[in-house]
Amino acid sequence: DAGITQSPRHKVTETGTPVTLRCHQTENHRYMYWYRQDPGHGLRLIHYSYGVKDTDKGEVSDGYSVSRSKTEDFLLTLESATSSQTSVYFCAISADRHTDTQYFGPGTRLTVL
Amino acid sequence: QKEVEQNSGPLSVPEGAIASLNCTYSDRVSQSFFWYRQYSGKSPELIMSIYSNGDKEDGRFTAQLNKASQYVSLLIRDSQPSDSATYLCAADILTGGGNKLTFGTGTQLKVEL
Repeated sequence: DAGITQSPRHKVTETGTPVTLRCHQTENHRYMYWYRQDPGHGLRLIHYSYGVKDTDKGEVSDGYSVSRSKTEDFLLTLESATSSQTSVYFCAISADRHTDTQYFGPGTRLTVL
Repeated sequence: QKEVEQNSGPLSVPEGAIASLNCTYSDRVSQSFFWYRQYSGKSPELIMSIYSNGDKEDGRFTAQLNKASQYVSLLIRDSQPSDSATYLCAADILTGGGNKLTFGTGTQLKVEL
């Protein structure tokens, strides 16, 4: 998985609780991304980062926040989890531009009860 | 109209046959196109990238790009059961926030013995 790890790999939580997912890379790539994948919707971009402390919204950012304090780490936070956020979350990285090849982490399966 | 469209399938082909996967996209200025393979429960992995009109071959895989028709395809020759997976097409699409890599919902391929 191109030196990308995600933690936790599986999580079950309750509605209304905060959840933080972590993405860690060892490739020193500038760009990092968070996607969610749901049946019938494919991969949808939540947020992305183009450098330390530089982030921007994707197409489905409502209810999510991100932070990047170090090149290697990109955190995704669900401030107050809802059942609609039950999904598989993938982190991805790329070296140069948004349109360069993105490499994906192993994913986190999140269930919100 | 979705920005990147794929037939969800499943596409069934016999072992040894050629599998043809198709994708259309909406942005006439898209420059970068990617095909990813995703096994069930796993993360997407890159198969091919293509940037210029024409064909690009890599082993049993050939990507074909026709920018005038806004069409990109993936051919898999001598299909094997191990090729059974979901294939995701992605293209850089101009959005309000600049170019973003946008994914189709994927085509499920089944290679039958």
